[in-house]
This record gives sequence, structure tokens and C-alpha cells, in this order.
Amino acid sequence: AQSVTQPDIHITVSEGASLELRCNYSYGATPYLFWYVQSPGQGLQLLLKYFSGDTLVQGIKGFEAEFKRSQSSFNLRKPSVHWSDAAEYFCAAGGGTASKLTFGTGTRLQVTL
Amino acid sequence: GAVVSQHPSRVICKSGTSVKIECRSLDFQATTMFWYRQFPKQSLMLMATSNEGSKATYEQGVEKDKFLINHASLTLSTLTVTSAHPEDSSFYICSASVGTLNTEAFFGQGTRLTVV
Repeated sequence: AQSVTQPDIHITVSEGASLELRCNYSYGATPYLFWYVQSPGQGLQLLLKYFSGDTLVQGIKGFEAEFKRSQSSFNLRKPSVHWSDAAEYFCAAGGGTASKLTFGTGTRLQVTL
Repeated sequence: GAVVSQHPSRVICKSGTSVKIECRSLDFQATTMFWYRQFPKQSLMLMATSNEGSKATYEQGVEKDKFLINHASLTLSTLTVTSAHPEDSSFYICSASVGTLNTEAFFGQGTRLTVV
């Protein structure tokens, strides 16, 4: 069965520190991969996506993610976190179609000043 | 960029009544729309996929008679929660795409439904 796993439910980092959020997927073939951010009570904002090509993907707000086929991973990174980055982050995958998505359980990011 | 508008953003209704949520693609024609449900502090779960002009395809465990989906035009899909009960209280989010293959979906802002 298709699945997306985000091992970390909650992460706390200090402002200015680096960040890495983990995401692993299980699909029959390489899926389309996405990272979304959700602020409390809000919808989803797309941070970045991977369809094919360069495995290091740049997104908005200074985020990047690296697709590693050998590890079935698509981890999200940011070199220096800002207090405004505190939110819920979801990794998602589409297998066969990029628009029908399977979501991970999310990682809540808390940023301390 | 592609914009999907969802209305209302919040709604409170009495138990036993029905509530309609609209999802509109503002600047593109959405041949396919998806409806997700999100419980508090949980992930999004796909409820159904709707293609313009045809019946929606519901995911396993989703009651199609309770969650009525209509996709009558290329820019509008509606989700009606019929005979709502408190356990239907949730955050509902739609997404829309052009076609189903190799295309990105764009999400609405979500609707917070509270049934009292």
C-alpha cells in the first residue's frame, strides 16, 4: 500500500538554527513528492515539489528538499529558521497522478527565540 | 498562479441539518477536484475524487450518502454534509487540478465545520 511517513511528530528548534524534517515514502514507483505548510486554522501552502530531474529542489521561504531514491526519502531543510516558520509541515506523495495525494501525519515545528 | 477559493471558511450548524461547502477554481478550469478531511492534530485524509460531469469516487469508509459531492461545472465543486452530527465536525479542504496525470493540485483555504 502507498504510504508517507513523517517520523517526527513535534520538533523544536531555536531561531537561526538549521532545520531538517524527515519524510519517507513507500510506493511501487517513484512518486511525485510535495512539502506543504499549514498555519493554525489555515489551508495548505505549497513549499516545493519534486516531479523529476534534479534531486535537490528549491522552494519558497528558503526551504529546500532532497530526493534520495535509495533511501525513499524526501527530507525538507532550511539553513536558518525564523520564528514565523512555526507551523505544521506535511509531506505528501502522488503515485501515478500528482494531484491525488497521500499525506504524512505531519510534523509540528516550534521555534524558540 | 492557480487560485482555489473555498467558502465558507467557518460554519456552525445544528445537529441534523445539512451544510454545503463550495470549492471554486478562480483562474483555471478544474477537471478534477478532491475533497479531504482533517481531524484535529491529524493529517489530511482523502474523502473523494470528483470529475466534472460524472459521479464522485469515494474512498473506502466514506459514506457517499452522507457526504454528497457535486461537480457540475469546470470551476465549481460542492460538498454537502447531510444530517450533520457532532462527529462530522472537522476541517474540510478541497483541491483542484487540470486533469489527473502529471499535474499539480491547488488547495483551497479549508472550511472549519462545527456541528452543535
